[in-house]
Amino acid sequence: GAGVSQSPRYKVTKRGQDVTLRCDPISSHATLYWYQQALGQGPEFLTYFNYEAQPDKSGLPSDRFSAERPEGSISTLTIQRTEQRDSAMYRCASSLVTSGQETQYFGPGTRLLVL
Amino acid sequence: SQQGEEDPQALSIQEGENATMNCSYKTSINNLQWYRQNSGRGLVHLILIRSNEREKHSGRLRVTLDTSKKSSSLLITASRAADTASYFCATAYYGNNRLAFGKGNQVVVIP
Repeated sequence: GAGVSQSPRYKVTKRGQDVTLRCDPISSHATLYWYQQALGQGPEFLTYFNYEAQPDKSGLPSDRFSAERPEGSISTLTIQRTEQRDSAMYRCASSLVTSGQETQYFGPGTRLLVL
Repeated sequence: SQQGEEDPQALSIQEGENATMNCSYKTSINNLQWYRQNSGRGLVHLILIRSNEREKHSGRLRVTLDTSKKSSSLLITASRAADTASYFCATAYYGNNRLAFGKGNQVVVIP
């Protein structure tokens, strides 16, 4: 596609519910990232995929967070038993390597509000 | 934890003036990148500077990198109202795919 897309753009949920966020990366990009951005802060790394492999998930804050990319394209981020502290913007990015340097292209994000 | 730290945190300038913001980091990097975030929109990549580069230009943007001081600056010349946004620096490290972002620098350009 023309850019990275994410859905939904906004999600309001009640504490304890599960939510699943979706990311559709740029079609030619092998690598996909998830970041969490609290209000007034910069994005913080959660996890990334290289095609369907997930080499690093060290940024996931707890075992309630999981991500998948089963076919190496679309990815989902699932938060189980949501808590109010999970409220944030969740950003997805896909990357392109040019001349040995990687540039990440971000989607519009999903703003999650846990009540 | 975030590596980049922008300074100052908020900047208000008149249209046509230049805006300068700084970023510092703690450990050796592969490259440093600047992103812009407009209200209600995604993060937009502005410019990437490699660790072996000292200065780079892109349109009205000028980025410098001083690896001895572990700092970078972003200069926006002849600012426009559309430049109103938050600007983030992000560092990339060797052998590590993640970007470490700073807290962001809010720039308001007054028409």
